Formats: sequence, structure tokens, C-alpha cells
Amino acid sequence: DAGVIQSPRHEVTEMGQEVTLRCKPISGHNSLFWYRQTMMRGLELLIYFNNNVPIDDSGMPEDRFSAKMPNASFSTLKIQPSEPRDSAVYFCASSSPGLALQFFGPGTRLTVL
Amino acid sequence: LAKTTQPISMDSYEGQEVNITCSHNNIATNDYITWYQQFPSQGPRFIIQGYKTKVTNEVASLFIPADRKSSTLSLPRVSLSDTAVYYCLVGGPNAGNMLTFGGGTRLMVKP
Repeated sequence: DAGVIQSPRHEVTEMGQEVTLRCKPISGHNSLFWYRQTMMRGLELLIYFNNNVPIDDSGMPEDRFSAKMPNASFSTLKIQPSEPRDSAVYFCASSSPGLALQFFGPGTRLTVL
Repeated sequence: LAKTTQPISMDSYEGQEVNITCSHNNIATNDYITWYQQFPSQGPRFIIQGYKTKVTNEVASLFIPADRKSSTLSLPRVSLSDTAVYYCLVGGPNAGNMLTFGGGTRLMVKP
């Protein structure tokens, strides 16, 4: 298996622009997680999907952030409009039923100028 | 979700054994204890998981006392490439695999 796939790996954009991050979970996994990591705040859970349904989005910073999972093999995290403080590494992770662990993707490094 | 407490940082030298202890006083009956390793510019990587007593794999050992309120990750004969942040987490399938990452322990292995 290729593991969790994220794209793009790096994204540089200007303040105010829309940013879309993409994630393909491991085949057969039914849970998907979006995290954000910064030096100041560490690794934060943004949103969690189970069977394509958002279960907990309490970590989403504000309305500028939205996430979707249209099917079991694809999810997006969108930021609109982006701001410099959104600069971070965004990780996607997936998990399988009955497993108490997650598998992480390589992350997307976002820089908002 | 149970909260974990672990040292912020540790230093070691090549060839030494490193033990990182994590406290999780509020661990639930169904919770597993999982350790992840994260290198710079990479996502966290699963190292080892256990429920009780001792677990060993090709990378590390995990020691869990009977009360399960703490756990110790043991890395035998560390090398420079073991320099990373190590996260201790508790959680289980009943929580929907929800895991809360704390600050982790930054291990620095010196030559």
C-alpha cells in the first residue's frame, strides 16, 4: 500500500487566496483526520471523519476553514481566504476499524505570504 | 480523552539505552498506549503500541505497569538517526480512534 497520500507537498500563496489541500487515505480505512502543526501550538486535530461523515470539527479554527470527504478515498481541506497565520504543516491521517492508532501522510507545508 | 505527561526533552549519546516515561493517570479501561516518532518535515510514525505488561518489536520496547497509569518507551542502543520527537498517546477504538497529541519529548542523540 502507498500509505496516506497528500498533495501538494508544498504550497506558497498570498494572503486572501483560496487554498485546497488534498488527502487520499489508506484503502480500507474508515476514519480520516486533519491536523495542523506549528512550532507554537504543536500538533492540533482540526477535524475527524468516520465513514465519510464529519464527527468532530471542534478544532477547526474558524469559518475560513472547511473540510469535505465526498467518498472513502478522498478528502479536502480548504482555507478561504487564507491568512499568514495559517502558515503551518497540515497532516492527514487515516485509521482502520478496531485499530487504536493512525497512519499519517507526509504533510503539506503551507506558507501564506 | 486521557491526558499524557512526558518530559519536554532528553539528551543521550550514541549506543546508550534511552527510556522515556509517560504518565497517563486517567487512562480508561479500553485505552491502548501508543508511541509515535516524528522527524523534522515528516508526519508522525507509529513505533509501538501496548495494553499491559511488556511489548517488544524490532524498534523499541514498551513497559506498562499493572496499574497502567504510566508507560516507558525503551530505545536500545540509540544512534544519531533516533534524534526525533517522541509522542505518547492513549486512546482506543471506543473513542473512534481519537488521539490527542501532547507536546512530545524531543530526544537529542549526540555522538
